[in-house]
Amino acid sequence: DADVTQTPRNRITKTGKRIMLECSQTKGHDRMYWYRQDPGLGLRLIYYSFDVKDINKGEISDGYSVSRQAQAKFSLSLESAIPNQTALYFCATSDYTENQPQHFGDGTRLSIL
Amino acid sequence: AQKVTQAQTEISVVEKEDVTLDCVYETRDTTYYLFWYKQPPSGELVFLIRRNSFDEQNEISGRYSWNFQKSTSSFNFTITASQVVDSAVYFCALSEAEDSNYQLIWGAGTKLIIKP
Repeated sequence: DADVTQTPRNRITKTGKRIMLECSQTKGHDRMYWYRQDPGLGLRLIYYSFDVKDINKGEISDGYSVSRQAQAKFSLSLESAIPNQTALYFCATSDYTENQPQHFGDGTRLSIL
Repeated sequence: AQKVTQAQTEISVVEKEDVTLDCVYETRDTTYYLFWYKQPPSGELVFLIRRNSFDEQNEISGRYSWNFQKSTSSFNFTITASQVVDSAVYFCALSEAEDSNYQLIWGAGTKLIIKP
């Protein structure tokens, strides 16, 4: 089983719909992240969380919200999806110690029509 | 401001050739970390290596090697005797120790195509 699991893997939806992307991990890491990737661009950080009570905005948080339901679960919501949120979304985790590598889920490909 | 530049948008070579992917970074910190990740066509992101700024030794792992040069702020990645399975997008990233959030600053990636 994957250490970092994202659901769904693919989603097509319409403008204005509310969407939730879920991430769960079995690595026991405290830190979790949500990124989006657009063609030709690197990854851009949406939100990150260092523990259940800690939520921080990243570079591009507008239009998104998150919930850290447990150490192992971190979900990303698009309250009212718009077409320019069409992208590949990644969840990642890392250990609490300094500058450890981040480990990624397989990604969720989201298309908003 | 910190920044990571991967100037090569796409590289195409024939199988068995050696290929080097460039990564140039900018940071004011004296302590920082550099990373390489691989994203194969299937889409997942795979961690390859982490290197801290105090360790300038080059690293070799099988056909992969990394050349870290602080003097030129570069952390280049070489694949020797490339194989079709090496085809992927490769990302270089930077994390600064003085950033208490340990955020990763990502390059835009280099798409590597290995032709049979």
